[in-house]
Amino acid sequence: DTGVSQDPRHKITKRGQNVTFRCDPISEHNRLYWYRQTLGQGPEFLTYFQNEAQLEKSRLLSDRFSAERPKGSFSTLEIQRTEQGDSAMYLCASSSGIVVSPLHFGNGTRLTVT
Amino acid sequence: DQQVKQNSPSLSVQEGRISILNCDYTNSMFDYFLWYKKYPAEGPTFLISISSIKDKNEDGRFTVFLNKSAKHLSLHIVPSQPGDSAVYFCAALSGTYKYIFGTGTRLKVLA
Repeated sequence: DTGVSQDPRHKITKRGQNVTFRCDPISEHNRLYWYRQTLGQGPEFLTYFQNEAQLEKSRLLSDRFSAERPKGSFSTLEIQRTEQGDSAMYLCASSSGIVVSPLHFGNGTRLTVT
Repeated sequence: DQQVKQNSPSLSVQEGRISILNCDYTNSMFDYFLWYKKYPAEGPTFLISISSIKDKNEDGRFTVFLNKSAKHLSLHIVPSQPGDSAVYFCAALSGTYKYIFGTGTRLKVLA
């Protein structure tokens, strides 16, 4: 069990640029989540995948955000035309298919939009 | 609409004493609750959970209590250690897969 891996750990970008983050979940986990955390707040749900199917996308996510999970393995989160308000920690988590099982988080990608 | 609330942003406790972190929720349909600990520059780490069919779950120094009628849960850490200093989040399972988190309580254990 190597845990949930996220890349990069830090990303600084200029407003208007596109960025893409990657998440590698725990290998046997079929559930994958993206959360966003800003200073003083708890993690906020962004989107959920069961295997390769994206089953829910939060209203927090504008059309500039897109997430994929091809083949039900790793996932990517892309933000197009970044804005300063996108600056946050983006957390990926995975869990097994058992309904009541805890999320296992990666160490996150910290995005700074200048 | 904050469905999971942690009203104390911070807490300081002397080493060896009990730390009590509180969490309130508004949705009576929530039936599984978790506590996470977060160190700076790391992701949240799962600590302990409780199902709504129980009112207490214990794991070593950590005990979670659930009061369904009050829609309240608490995390007790006994004895508190300096390494417990972190931000603690409570979370609730909404439906079958979405976890909703509180805003966190920063615990500082003083040596």
